[in-house]
Parts: sequence; C-alpha cells; structure tokens
Amino acid sequence: GAVVSQHPSWVICKSGTSVKIECRSLDFQATTMFWYRQFPKQSLMLMATSNEGSKATYEQGVEKDKFLINHASLTLSTLTVTSAHPEDSSFYICSAPGSGVSGANVLTFGAGSRLTVL
Amino acid sequence: KNQVEQSPQSLIILEGKNCTLQCNYTVSPFSNLRWYKQDTGRGPVSLTIMTFSENTKSNGRYTATLDADTKQSSLHITASQLSDSASYICVVSARDNNNDMRFGAGTRLTVKP
Repeated sequence: GAVVSQHPSWVICKSGTSVKIECRSLDFQATTMFWYRQFPKQSLMLMATSNEGSKATYEQGVEKDKFLINHASLTLSTLTVTSAHPEDSSFYICSAPGSGVSGANVLTFGAGSRLTVL
Repeated sequence: KNQVEQSPQSLIILEGKNCTLQCNYTVSPFSNLRWYKQDTGRGPVSLTIMTFSENTKSNGRYTATLDADTKQSSLHITASQLSDSASYICVVSARDNNNDMRFGAGTRLTVKP
C-alpha cells in the first residue's frame, strides 16, 4: 500500500531557530499533501494544503510566513517552522491522498513529527 | 461548529469486551467516511473507508457501519485487546471535493487488563 514517510520523527530546538520537516510519498506521486497540527489529547487540525509547483493554501488563522511550505516535487513536501517559539511545540503530521477503491480517495498519513521548542 | 461529532469523548473497557464508537456528521454533499486509529505519538492509520452506497465494512475485529440517511456511522470493536487502546478518528469528505475533509475530535479508547 501507499506509504508516507515523515522526517524527523522528533526534534528539539532552541527558541528562535527554524526547523524543517519533510514529508515524502513512497511509491506514489502526490500533487497534493496536507499538513496538520495536533496538540495533546486533541484531534488533528488542518494547517495547510501543499500543492506541487504552486503556492500552498493555508487555513484561516495559520501564518504562512511562520509555517513555510514547499512542494517542489511530486514526492516531497516540506514544512519549515520559522523562528520557532515554545508555543509552536506540537505534533505535526502530513498526509497525502491517492486513488482508492470505488474512486474514493485513500488518505495516507505520515508517522508525525514531534517538535519541542525550548 | 464542527461538522463531524464523535462520541463518547473517551471510553474505558476491559480486555475482551466489545465496544461501539459513534460518529455523526452534517457534511453535505457526502462523499466518503473514514475511520482511523491513532496510537499515541503516531500518525493515524486507516481502518475503513465507506462511500455512500456502502453501509457496512469490516477490517478484522473492526466493523464500521454507515447510515447515509441519518448521517451516522459507528465503529464496533469486537473482543478488544490492549493494543486497541488509541484514539479513533472519524473523517468525512464532501462530494466533488475529496480534499475537503472534516475531522472529528476523536474517541480515546483505553482497554484495561
């Protein structure tokens, strides 16, 4: 089946630094990828939709200059948390849709990246 | 208001028991409904996906049902195991826009020995 690889799985950084998270679709192409943020004991919150070759679409309330998204190839999307602060500490997850049975999209998630900003 | 409501918010059961999780939605027009299992600190893993014409689908000990008329779905777990402890998330997609997904808040299931 489709696999989405996310890296790193966890990262600790100092306040003010930038952190890049990679999301790769293995064995399939993804023109679209989704980035989510999840706080403890809460559900996933969609941050942005990453589009290959064009600008990402951000959800309301998400700062595009804070969370830079690049989708330069059909298998790779990156999320860069710029000038990270402790309140950016969270679990970040990506996903990629594909074509499934009966024409329904099968959404495959990465394993997530836990960011801790000191 | 969230268009996908899940209940209960949390549930504790004994190992070996059955349980049923609920998902009610108002997403329209409807395309498909998916149930995911998310272990703590991991990404969600797909359990089932159902379209409008499907009203039940099984995946091992997991059985999902869908009533598109009442806009309700349930996930039934049979003979629970300790490894079933996780959050179960219901995701509904709108027709003509499969990228428009609405997430439920999830049900946190704890299976105790």
